[in-house]
Amino acid sequence: AQKVTQAQTEISVVEKEDVTLDCVYETRDTTYYLFWYKQPPSGELVFLIRRNSFDEQNEISGRYSWNFQKSTSSFNFTITASQVVDSAVYFCALTPPPGLGSQGNLIFGKGTKLSVKP
Amino acid sequence: DSGVTQTPKHLITATGQRVTLRCSPRSGDLSVYWYQQSLDQGLQFLIHYYNGEERAKGNILERFSAQQFPDLHSELNLSSLELGDSALYFCASSGIPKTGVEQYFGPGTRLTVT
Repeated sequence: AQKVTQAQTEISVVEKEDVTLDCVYETRDTTYYLFWYKQPPSGELVFLIRRNSFDEQNEISGRYSWNFQKSTSSFNFTITASQVVDSAVYFCALTPPPGLGSQGNLIFGKGTKLSVKP
Repeated sequence: DSGVTQTPKHLITATGQRVTLRCSPRSGDLSVYWYQQSLDQGLQFLIHYYNGEERAKGNILERFSAQQFPDLHSELNLSSLELGDSALYFCASSGIPKTGVEQYFGPGTRLTVT
């Protein structure tokens, strides 16, 4: 079965600190996709990144970076120089492989609530 | 703004009642997914429609049903409501029902059952 674990329930940092959000996934499939979504206090879910299982290159987008390691089944997310506006719940998600009953629906972790204090 | 709209934003109703949640996907998107977010279960996939046809079911209760209309908007019907159905219901849309294509989420409908 596919599963996503975000062991950190809540993290609190002071502005300008770096913070890493952990994501560990389980799947038996060789082809899969991983995602990160942000849910700010307003409630909507905002897409941040998609990574396929064949691309282990790390990605950087401004203050955000992602570290994908298949050997440890992890897809961690780092925010550099955090800001108050980064305060949100962050979800890691996995798509099961295509097949009967699956057409791209997301399997989410429980989320990590990040609080950035001024 | 994701381009996905959901109405109503908030809904308060009593146990035993029936409600309908509405979702309009992004222009051009044929797939609509419904998810439920609750404190107990987190974010869970409910059901997926593509171009009017049901494609996949997740942890959707028999009291819940959905459909997608010819204009591609979708409705999620929840009946015989229980207190435990109180949750945030999201719909998301994507262009094709292919694994890995990002889904764009609407703002959600917060359902409170009293």
